[in-house]
Amino acid sequence: RKEVEQDPGPFNVPEGATVAFNCTYSNSASQSFFWYRQDCRKEPKLLMSVYSSGNEDGRFTAQLNRASQYISLLIRDSKLSDSATYLCVVNIKTSYDKVIFGPGTSLSVIP
Amino acid sequence: EAGVTQFPSHSVIEKGQTVTLRCDPISGHDNLYWYRRVMGKEIKFLLHFVKESKQDESGMPNNRFLAERTGGTYSTLKVQPAELEDSGVYFCASSQAYERRNTDTQYFGPGTRLTVL
Repeated sequence: RKEVEQDPGPFNVPEGATVAFNCTYSNSASQSFFWYRQDCRKEPKLLMSVYSSGNEDGRFTAQLNRASQYISLLIRDSKLSDSATYLCVVNIKTSYDKVIFGPGTSLSVIP
Repeated sequence: EAGVTQFPSHSVIEKGQTVTLRCDPISGHDNLYWYRRVMGKEIKFLLHFVKESKQDESGMPNNRFLAERTGGTYSTLKVQPAELEDSGVYFCASSQAYERRNTDTQYFGPGTRLTVL
């Protein structure tokens, strides 16, 4: 089983739609959680960190459920510019910091 | 402030040759990471420097890969000799002071696309 798993996608949604991505992680030592977005042939860029209390940044809302080892990202009012691959990233803090990437979920927002 | 830079952006070499990738982290960032994305797979951790020291190199695939960060500034990743399966995109990332354990946002460079023929 992979350490970080995501919805396989791709997600094709019309402009203005609400879309939710799910991510699960297997290592209970995981302590920090992030969503990155990666545009085609570009580097990953931090979208938002994910906190237990949940956090919102404009149209984006991230939630963390430590008990279920589950992370989500909700995008409201999708824009064409939201089209990208969304990467769930988990930081496991043991002796070292170890960063594990999920495989990503591709989103295409259609006019 | 300049971001993470990587050189070259693309490299095409033949099997058996040597290639050296370079990463310049954001100035003042102690942590430097190397990752690799092979086509169709997720991004995989290779290793982590804290300043000039290798903190974790558990992700390095084999002894054909050698990473250095002399002086704790830029880093190089050498592949010698390159094999076909080394093809992929090599990303470098940096983050701030190691002591600030909660400041672990990583900023990625644009990557080096390596093709081994």
